Amino acid sequence: GDSVTQMEGPVTLSEEAFLTINCTYTATGYPSLFWYVQYPGEGLQLLLKATKADDKGSNKGFEATYRKETTSFHLEKGSVQVSDSAVYFCALSGDTGRRALTFGSGTRLQVQP
Amino acid sequence: DAGITQSPRHKVTETGTPVTLRCHQTENHRYMYWYRQDPGHGLRLIHYSYGVKDTDKGEVSDGYSVSRSKTEDFLLTLESATSSQTSVYFCAISEGGIHPTNEKLFFGSGTQLSVL
Repeated sequence: GDSVTQMEGPVTLSEEAFLTINCTYTATGYPSLFWYVQYPGEGLQLLLKATKADDKGSNKGFEATYRKETTSFHLEKGSVQVSDSAVYFCALSGDTGRRALTFGSGTRLQVQP
Repeated sequence: DAGITQSPRHKVTETGTPVTLRCHQTENHRYMYWYRQDPGHGLRLIHYSYGVKDTDKGEVSDGYSVSRSKTEDFLLTLESATSSQTSVYFCAISEGGIHPTNEKLFFGSGTQLSVL
């Protein structure tokens, strides 16, 4: 079945550092890929998405490129802020009728001033 | 923000008791989901619904049942709560458009359930 693997956390960075959170996936067909973010005490919200190979999703300075050849969708940001501290989830939507997402285990990011 | 309300926000219960969690939406979206969030596992799908009275199992459905008698409400019932069901439960909705692989989920704020 479909699965998503994310790097273990927590990731601790200083403000203005470069961020990479790795995500790889296993799926049949041509899934869509997503990054969701969860701030403390809140539900998840969509950060960005890509629906086909070589697409780049971007939002709020975050970017991720859909790499079919390496089955990856790594999240990057050039300069993190304290307000980016959150848990980040990689997810995929397979070609199934239920339209449910398969999530990775999440990566906690802590940004220190 | 999508109009999703989960109740209760926090619940403490004892092993063996039934528990019902409620998800209410004001968006008239067709699809509704229940996920549980646990450390090291991320979010795992319990059950989902694709319309009134239309529901199906997710990957961790044992010990849970659901009902959807109205578009706006999706209930999750733990028939006899166990300590392994201590978790944070999230309801999510999606519009159910014609491109299923492009779906965006909207999440509620979650219910923290503790089973003692």
